Amino acid sequence: EVQLVESGGGLVKTGGSLRLSCAASGFTFSTYAMNWVRQAPGKGLAWVSYISSDSGTTHYADSVKGRFTISRDNVKNSLYLQMSGLRVEDTALYFCVRASRDGYDQWGQGTLVTVSA
Amino acid sequence: EIVMTQSPATLSVSPGERATLSCRASQGISNNLAWYQQKPGQAPRLLIYGASTRATGIPARFSGSGSGTEFTLTISSLQSEDFAVYYCQQCHAWPTWTFGQGTKVEIK
Repeated sequence: EVQLVESGGGLVKTGGSLRLSCAASGFTFSTYAMNWVRQAPGKGLAWVSYISSDSGTTHYADSVKGRFTISRDNVKNSLYLQMSGLRVEDTALYFCVRASRDGYDQWGQGTLVTVSA
Repeated sequence: EIVMTQSPATLSVSPGERATLSCRASQGISNNLAWYQQKPGQAPRLLIYGASTRATGIPARFSGSGSGTEFTLTISSLQSEDFAVYYCQQCHAWPTWTFGQGTKVEIK
């Protein structure tokens, strides 16, 4: 069974940092591109960041570029999101998402990040 | 950036009735469109990819159609478990696959 389990969320003040982790199991992690997608309270889904299977390519939404860094460890089957310079508008549930050729086919349950002023 | 616009924002439907959800892309995306279902407190689930192909385990009452800029998700006979929020997503402009704002399907 495919599992994606996020951790590392919490309450942080504006300007602070957090590192999110996602532990993957049940599939060959090293062969899949991965993403972070977030959902602000009561709002829709927003793509945050992408990393290729070999970490060779990364992309970021304009809203987080220069502040967030995506990375992965294919030995530990883990995905990470280092977040710095956090803003109130970064408050959201952050999902770890597996990307297939045709869409986001597996999602974690999310980890909540709350940024207070 | 490709902007995805869904309509209506909320759809009130009685159980057993048909629901039709629309999604429009700001530019042509061929058939590179996915639909997701999200229930309260849960992660989204992939329903449809390639505009019309059901994902594994998705019931046949869910169908997708469209190409280019106009897309439709149809739920042929709404079951109680289908009341949820539905999102479309363009999978054309890799890797920035943008979502629509969602359509909430509620019980009438």
